[in-house]
Amino acid sequence: DQQVKQNSPSLSVQEGRISILNCDYTNSMFDYFLWYKKYPAEGPTFLISISSIKDKNEDGRFTVFLNKSAKHLSLHIVPSQPGDSAVYFCALYSGGGADGLTFGKGTHLIIQP
Amino acid sequence: KAGVTQTPRYLIKTRGQQVTLSCSPISGHRSVSWYQQTPGQGLQFLFEYFSETQRNKGNFPGRFSGRQFSNSRSEMNVSTLELGDSALYLCASSLTGTGGYGYTFGSGTRLTVV
Repeated sequence: DQQVKQNSPSLSVQEGRISILNCDYTNSMFDYFLWYKKYPAEGPTFLISISSIKDKNEDGRFTVFLNKSAKHLSLHIVPSQPGDSAVYFCALYSGGGADGLTFGKGTHLIIQP
Repeated sequence: KAGVTQTPRYLIKTRGQQVTLSCSPISGHRSVSWYQQTPGQGLQFLFEYFSETQRNKGNFPGRFSGRQFSNSRSEMNVSTLELGDSALYLCASSLTGTGGYGYTFGSGTRLTVV
């Protein structure tokens, strides 16, 4: 059974608007929550992360929100730019790294001009 | 500084053969992890090496193995290849491999088994 779910395989947003990518998880034991961005033919690139003791972390246009009670993670991109078009993965890490990073299956974000 | 280098970029092998993939981490990084990406299963953790020792292992059969050398370079081996092993294999390096921070991925090796 999937521990991490990204329920939207794709998302289309107009340039300049807000992009909101979502991720749900089932295991409460995760310590860190990360977002990666992936372009075709490249490896994932780290974007932003948040630890389990926080509920928000901001870095420029990117903000990650964590709702532990709902076991929900989201990434907000404001404003969205054409270069943001990529596949976005949420990745979760639990202490000791026994399972490495547990990834969602990704959301393909398309920024429309 | 140089990123994570994976070789080769592309590989075609026949069922039953074995294959070795290579990963050179960022200089100074001691942790190297391997992941398999397929359309059906997404990105799945294979194993992690730290200072030449396998520290963590994912849920893959024993046909998948790896090692890490004293210079932190790592190799991954898959024996008795099956069609289902066709995937993008990604390597990630990290200073310590803890906390989920600072994992830098290579561009991957695309393995096709025919």
